Amino acid sequence: AQSVSQHNHHVILSEAASLELGCNYSYGGTVNLFWYVQYPGQHLQLLLKYFSGDPLVKGIKGFEAEFIKSKFSFNLRKPSVQWSDTAEYFCAVTLYNTDKLIFGTGTRLQVFP
Amino acid sequence: GAGVSQSPSNKVTEKGKDVELRCDPISGHTALYWYRQSLGQGLEFLIYFQGNSAPDKSGLPSDRFSAERTGGSVSTLTIQRTQQEDSAVYLCASSRGDRVSGETQYFGPGTRLLVL
Repeated sequence: AQSVSQHNHHVILSEAASLELGCNYSYGGTVNLFWYVQYPGQHLQLLLKYFSGDPLVKGIKGFEAEFIKSKFSFNLRKPSVQWSDTAEYFCAVTLYNTDKLIFGTGTRLQVFP
Repeated sequence: GAGVSQSPSNKVTEKGKDVELRCDPISGHTALYWYRQSLGQGLEFLIYFQGNSAPDKSGLPSDRFSAERTGGSVSTLTIQRTQQEDSAVYLCASSRGDRVSGETQYFGPGTRLLVL
């Protein structure tokens, strides 16, 4: 079955540190890739997505992700995190011609001032 | 504009009782999804409605779960004879339904269900 793996379950950083969250998926066909974020007490919201074109995708709040097809990966990066980035981050995919999101287990990010 | 809304925000019920959870999608969105977020299973797809097409029920965990969407707008997720393992946050999402690749789904705040 198709799945999404997020290797980091809990990440703790100081402000201004760089961030990279790993995401790998298992599916050999065409996929659409997403990162969603859930800030404390708030809804899930889209951070960025890839569906075609430039594999380096830029999202809101200075986040970016790179789709590497050969590695089945879509890692999320931010060069300098802020305390306000404290949240849970979910990687997700939709498979070609389907619309249901398959989510990873999430990564909890804590940023300390 | 208004986002996806869900009610109730919290629901506590006794094992064996039936519950109904409601979702109001963003106006004009023809696609509607239900997901479940639980400690043991993470975020799981449950069911998907797209316009007048038959819903994709492939994620429903058992026949105790059902959902309907009336008039192409509001949706109700019903869980019959609730069990403790049904305790979770039930999330609804909607999208424009244009069948464009990589379409964004917009999530509601969820209903937190606790089965005692």
